[in-house]
Amino acid sequence: AQSVTQPDIHITVSEGASLELRCNYSYGATPYLFWYVQSPGQGLQLLLKYFSGDTLVQGIKGFEAEFKRSQSSFNLRKPSVHWSDAAEYFCAVGDGTNAGKSTFGDGTTLTVKP
Amino acid sequence: GAVVSQHPSWVICKSGTSVKIECRSLDFQATTMFWYRQFPKQSLMLMATSNEGSKATYEQGVEKDKFLINHASLTLSTLTVTSAHPEDSSFYICSARDGVRPPQHFGDGTRLSIL
Repeated sequence: AQSVTQPDIHITVSEGASLELRCNYSYGATPYLFWYVQSPGQGLQLLLKYFSGDTLVQGIKGFEAEFKRSQSSFNLRKPSVHWSDAAEYFCAVGDGTNAGKSTFGDGTTLTVKP
Repeated sequence: GAVVSQHPSWVICKSGTSVKIECRSLDFQATTMFWYRQFPKQSLMLMATSNEGSKATYEQGVEKDKFLINHASLTLSTLTVTSAHPEDSSFYICSARDGVRPPQHFGDGTRLSIL
């Protein structure tokens, strides 16, 4: 069964500082990996996705993520955080061979200090 | 592209009533839609997978008679919470898949409050 672990429940960074959110997954084959962002009371917005190919993927809002098969990781990064980035971030692994279900991590809450 | 609209965004109703939530894919056809429930400060819990023209597949522990799902067209799935009680109060989110592969595209969610 597929699973996702986001080790950090809550991260606080200063505005302008760099950010890395960790994500580890468990999946038997090559995974489909995603990062979503959720603002309070809202649905989820897709930041970026990895299916295959280049292991460094670029997303919206200046985010990027790197797929490392050897570490079963898909960490999200941003070189300079803005106050508007404060939100909940979810990593997910998708099953491309079944009904397309995605399994979500428990999320990481990002707080941005001025 | 790939916009999913969910309605209503917020509903308050009395205990014992039934509430219907709609999920529409606005600019694509979605053969598969998903319904999630999210408790405060928690992750998304998949309730069921909705396939157009067939019965929904419910996750273990989800009462199919309590949470009725209908996916009558390629752009619309509905979730009806029947005889709602305060413990059904939650944030319900739908998503739709454009094509066979992920990712899913999410609606903005429905905040359901049962008094």
